[in-house]
Amino acid sequence: EDQVTQSPEALRLQEGESSSLNCSYTVSGLRGLFWYRQDPGKGPEFLFTLYSAGEEKEKERLKATLTKKESFLHITAPKPEDSATYLCAVQAGTALIFGKGTTLSVSS
Amino acid sequence: DAGVIQSPRHEVTEMGQEVTLRCKPISGHDYLFWYRQTMMRGLELLIYFNNNVPIDDSGMPEDRFSAKMPNASFSTLKIQPSEPRDSAVYFCASSPASVNQPQHFGDGTRLSIL
Repeated sequence: EDQVTQSPEALRLQEGESSSLNCSYTVSGLRGLFWYRQDPGKGPEFLFTLYSAGEEKEKERLKATLTKKESFLHITAPKPEDSATYLCAVQAGTALIFGKGTTLSVSS
Repeated sequence: DAGVIQSPRHEVTEMGQEVTLRCKPISGHDYLFWYRQTMMRGLELLIYFNNNVPIDDSGMPEDRFSAKMPNASFSTLKIQPSEPRDSAVYFCASSPASVNQPQHFGDGTRLSIL
């Protein structure tokens, strides 16, 4: 069964304190791994797509990496505006299978 | 460009009533997806359409749920009769292709069934 597990469930950081979020997956025939950001009361907002092991993508303070079994979202020197829930999803067929997310809180 | 538009943003109704959620996808996107988000189960796919045709409705929880896409710019998700356990946030998303393209989400409808 295709499955996505994200850890930790919640993460509290001080501004400037770098860390990583984990997304472990089990899927037959990975077509892509997607990272989304979700703010309260909003829909998920697309961040990155990764297609193959070894691939990396960067956007501002965020960097996503992919191995054959997991993906990491590295947050470098986070700011309070980076506070959100980060969702990971894998695509095997057409559907996206989402993890339950990591809720990040960054305090100044 | 306008994103995915959903209405209403909030809906509160009593058990047994019919509920209709609406979605306007991004113009030019061939795929439309309906998801439900709860604290317990996270985001779950309910049904998706390709070129207005339902392709996979295996995620629809019961016969009380139905979805239609009468044209490329409009879709509805209907619950009849509604039950308290249907309370959740319902999202619509669209994408230009089925694979390798990100899905773009609306801001959802928060549904509360009393």
